[in-house]
Amino acid sequence: DTGVSQDPRHKITKRGQNVTFRCDPISEHNRLYWYRQTLGQGPEFLTYFQNEAQLEKSRLLSDRFSAERPKGSFSTLEIQRTEQGDSAMYLCASSTRTGNYEQYFGPGTRLTVT
Amino acid sequence: GQNIDQPTEMTATEGAIVQINCTYQTSGFNGLFWYQQHAGEAPTFLSYNVLDGLEEKGRFSSFLSRSKGYSYLLLKELQMKDSASYLCAVVNTDKLIFGTGTRLQVFP
Repeated sequence: DTGVSQDPRHKITKRGQNVTFRCDPISEHNRLYWYRQTLGQGPEFLTYFQNEAQLEKSRLLSDRFSAERPKGSFSTLEIQRTEQGDSAMYLCASSTRTGNYEQYFGPGTRLTVT
Repeated sequence: GQNIDQPTEMTATEGAIVQINCTYQTSGFNGLFWYQQHAGEAPTFLSYNVLDGLEEKGRFSSFLSRSKGYSYLLLKELQMKDSASYLCAVVNTDKLIFGTGTRLQVFP
C-alpha cells in the first residue's frame, strides 16, 4: 500500500496560465475527492468521483476548474486562466465505500500564482 | 447552511491534558472525524464518531453528542510532537465538511 500520491508537490505559475495536477489514489479505493486548503483554514470540498463518475461538484468551483477520472483510477484537476486567488494547497483523498467514511489524504500540491 | 466551529488556537504544556471542542450545524450527518495536520503536510486520521459517546484510542479520545451538535478531542500526556492543527470534519452525504482547524502549540 503506497498511499495516495499527488504530482507535482509544488507548482509556481504566472497568472493566466493553465495548470494540471494529478492524483493517484490507493488502488482498491473507488472514491476520490479533491479539496482546496488556504492558509489557516480547513480543507474545502471541491468535487468527488465514484469510479469514473463525477458525483458532486461544489458551487464554489468556477468554470475554470475541471476534474476527470477517465478510467476510475487516477484523477486530474485542471485550472484554466489561473488567478492569484487560486493559490492554495490542493489535496486529494480516496476512500472505499464500505460503510467507513474515512478518507486518506495525499501530500497535496501547493500552487502559487504570481 | 453548514457551520462548524472550533477555537482557532490553543496552547498547553508538555505532559498536560487539552480538550479541543467542535460544534456543528450541518444539513446532513453521517459521522464526525478528527484529523491531525502538521504544517505543510496532509491531514492524518485520528478518530471517527458516529454514535454518541466516548471513543478512546491511546492518548487520544473523542466524544460526540449528536443532540447537541457537539464533539471534543481530548489529548492526554501531551508531547511536543502534538503541536499541530486539529481539524474537526462532519461527514455530509459522502463528503467531509471541515472546520477551520485548531492550532495547538505545546510548550516544554
